[in-house]
Amino acid sequence: DVKVTQSSRYLVKRTGEKVFLECVQDMDHENMFWYRQDPGLGLRLIYFSYDVKMKEKGDIPEGYSVSREKKERFSLILESASTNQTSMYLCASSLSGADYGYTFGSGTRLTVV
Amino acid sequence: GDSVTQMEGPVTLSEEAFLTINCTYTATGYPSLFWYVQYPGEGLQLLLKATKADDKGSNKGFEATYRKETTSFHLEKGSVQVSDSAVYFCALRDTGGFKTIFGAGTRLFVKA
Repeated sequence: DVKVTQSSRYLVKRTGEKVFLECVQDMDHENMFWYRQDPGLGLRLIYFSYDVKMKEKGDIPEGYSVSREKKERFSLILESASTNQTSMYLCASSLSGADYGYTFGSGTRLTVV
Repeated sequence: GDSVTQMEGPVTLSEEAFLTINCTYTATGYPSLFWYVQYPGEGLQLLLKATKADDKGSNKGFEATYRKETTSFHLEKGSVQVSDSAVYFCALRDTGGFKTIFGAGTRLFVKA
């Protein structure tokens, strides 16, 4: 069964910590994405990568960075966690091209205290 | 820019009722259209898709037809079950683009 695996389902971190969220896919997909999902705000794109070592800012990149050193792995980094980054984080991957949908991971619920 | 508008929820139905969730879009190109479903505590799952005008996507009893003339992609199911309770997202992915534009989501509650 093809899948996107996010390293943690639940995470609690302290304000100011550097936080790493890991995402791995086993489908040889070129494109990978990080979203955050908040009540009333829907899905908001943080960063995406259309190929290895490539990255593009999404709609809300401030306070985040990403790394894609290998095709299967896309990491989201919170440089200095803040309470307003408490959220559900969703990773997704897809083949390139408009005809292809996304495969999502199960999400990481991050709480910053 | 491209956008997706879907009906606000929550939608509450009794088991075996007919479901329609409306979705309209604006796009400059020729997008593919998608419906995703999110069950509580989970990520989104692709439910169905249509890649060109007049295509009908279907899966698990759900259907949606790509209507270019009305720029719509309404989700329908003839008889809903309690297990269909979830949030449904309409989305488009434009030609040449990497990104997908998602609607705000519509929460569906099905009562036994």
